[in-house]
Amino acid sequence: AQKITQTQPGMFVQEKEAVTLDCTYDTSDPSYGLFWYKQPSSGEMIFLIYQGSYDQQNATEGRYSLNFQKARKSANLVISASQLGDSAMYFCAMREDLLPGGGGADGLTFGKGTHLIIQP
Amino acid sequence: DAGVIQSPRHEVTEMGQEVTLRCKPISGHNSLFWYRQTMMRGLELLIYFNNNVPIDDSGMPEDRFSAKMPNASFSTLKIQPSEPRDSAVYFCASSFDRGVYEQYFGPGTRLTVT
Repeated sequence: AQKITQTQPGMFVQEKEAVTLDCTYDTSDPSYGLFWYKQPSSGEMIFLIYQGSYDQQNATEGRYSLNFQKARKSANLVISASQLGDSAMYFCAMREDLLPGGGGADGLTFGKGTHLIIQP
Repeated sequence: DAGVIQSPRHEVTEMGQEVTLRCKPISGHNSLFWYRQTMMRGLELLIYFNNNVPIDDSGMPEDRFSAKMPNASFSTLKIQPSEPRDSAVYFCASSFDRGVYEQYFGPGTRLTVT
């Protein structure tokens, strides 16, 4: 079974509009972390935002916010006021923590990604 | 600050040849990860190290793949012998093992096996 599901293979959005990229996850661990990465056409992986399973508030980083709905196991990325430079692949990823309460680095499980294209 | 450094950036080799990919993690990070990205399978974790010790190599496809981390500032991923289906982008990433510990990725090595 897929642990990370991104249901939008591709999206076209008008510049300056807000964008929501969907991500659902599957885990039975009580402690885990959720990440979003951006991969532009140049190929590098850029860390955007992190949400811990015990965090009470949704994470925000500049124009990025994470809409975390724990009961629904969803962690959607919201990009406000989209820009042409936001065009890229976006990956949702999960790390299941090795230690109770967090800690103990583990590898990330990635979704298939969403190809976002911002149109002028 | 230098990020994760990988070499070579591109590698083209013939089937059957040995390939060695190299990685230098961010100074101070004590966890290192090797990932592979292909169109068919997406991003997959191959192996990761914590404090230079391999913790989980269940993602290594087969015995042709091996990885080492002889010290905190260097790791290698070796494929011997290489096959065309090994063609992919190989990423190295590093992180701390406490706190948020987001993983910082290197630029990747694009491997083509003909």
